Amino acid sequence: DVKVTQSSRYLVKRTGEKVFLECVQDMDHENMFWYRQDPGLGLRLIYFSYDVKMKEKGDIPEGYSVSREKKERFSLILESASTNQTSMYLCASSTNTGTGNNEQYFGPGTRLTVT
Amino acid sequence: SQKIEQNSEALNIQEGKTATLTCNYTNYSPAYLQWYRQDPGRGPVFLLLIRENEKEKRKERLKVTFDTTLKQSLFHITASQPADSATYLCALSTGGFKTIFGAGTRLFVKA
Repeated sequence: DVKVTQSSRYLVKRTGEKVFLECVQDMDHENMFWYRQDPGLGLRLIYFSYDVKMKEKGDIPEGYSVSREKKERFSLILESASTNQTSMYLCASSTNTGTGNNEQYFGPGTRLTVT
Repeated sequence: SQKIEQNSEALNIQEGKTATLTCNYTNYSPAYLQWYRQDPGRGPVFLLLIRENEKEKRKERLKVTFDTTLKQSLFHITASQPADSATYLCALSTGGFKTIFGAGTRLFVKA
């Protein structure tokens, strides 16, 4: 059974802290994604990666960075957490057939609260 | 600007009826359209994918239509059950790596 795991389900951090969110997939997928989900706004893409050490900005990359040192792991970093980064963060992965349009497998999400 | 619209109001239906959810888009020429189910506090789960050259796709009690002229997809759940209660997201892809998600429609199926 395919699996995407995220390091924490719930996280509370203080403003200004550096925050690391980890995502691991066991499906040998090439593509990995980080989204945030806010009520009424749907999922918004922060960053994605289509290969190890490769990263591309999504629609809302400001205030975030990512790291992909190994194929199975994709980390999201909040350099200096702010209250407007309080959100549900979802990691996803997909295989790459050349079109990039395959179904995405999501992790359970991390609900981050920044106080 | 590019936009995906799903009905933000919840859909309430009686068990056994067919639920129909709508996804409209503007300023896209999607090559693929996907539907996902999301339960509270969980990540979305993929349900169906339909390509631009397909009019309809079925999987068990689920049916998706894709009308590129109307720029609309309809998602049907026949013989709905309380266990179908969830939020349903549509997602578009134009052929690259990025998939754009709608905000979702909440479905409540009453017993």
